[in-house]
Amino acid sequence: KNQVEQSPQSLIILEGKNCTLQCNYTVSPFSNLRWYKQDTGRGPVSLTIMTFSENTKSNGRYTATLDADTKQSSLHITASQLSDSASYICVVSGGSSNTGKLIFGQGTTLQVKP
Amino acid sequence: DTGVSQNPRHKITKRGQNVTFRCDPISEHNRLYWYRQTLGQGPEFLTYFQNEAQLEKSRLLSDRFSAERPKGSFSTLEIQRTEQGDSAMYLCASSHRTEHTGELFFGEGSRLTVL
Repeated sequence: KNQVEQSPQSLIILEGKNCTLQCNYTVSPFSNLRWYKQDTGRGPVSLTIMTFSENTKSNGRYTATLDADTKQSSLHITASQLSDSASYICVVSGGSSNTGKLIFGQGTTLQVKP
Repeated sequence: DTGVSQNPRHKITKRGQNVTFRCDPISEHNRLYWYRQTLGQGPEFLTYFQNEAQLEKSRLLSDRFSAERPKGSFSTLEIQRTEQGDSAMYLCASSHRTEHTGELFFGEGSRLTVL
């Protein structure tokens, strides 16, 4: 079954600290992996998209890594800010249907405290 | 603002009533998607349009749900005879390439509360 699992479910850190969010997936065939940031009550906003051949991709203080062999990805946030408080959703594109599917993880809720 | 626009942003209704949500995608995007998201969960796929053609529907989309995109531009999602279990955020997204490879842009969502 195609699944995307994220850990931890929630995380609290102090402003200025770094953190790493994890994503494991069992989607096959694999097309790409995306990380989205979703503020409370808002729509998701894309942070990164990585294809099979990409191991790492950065977007400002956000750095995503992908290990297609172990089917794992991580999102590292450097020097966290209060505005980083949000849900971070890992999404894998793939599956066997003609149109493909975006398979969403449940998200990690990050709270950055002053 | 040229992003994906959804309205209304919030809707409170009584059980048994019908509701309709509208999505205006980014103008050059020919692909439009509807998702449902409940608290603490990731979005779940409901249906997808390429231009005016509805190409795929999830089993989550019961016969009380209907989506249209009559002219290949805006889309509507109607829920008939709402139930409390329909309470959720309904997200619309658009893309100009396949879901596989194209960047997906989400709207701010329409939050439905069924009393």
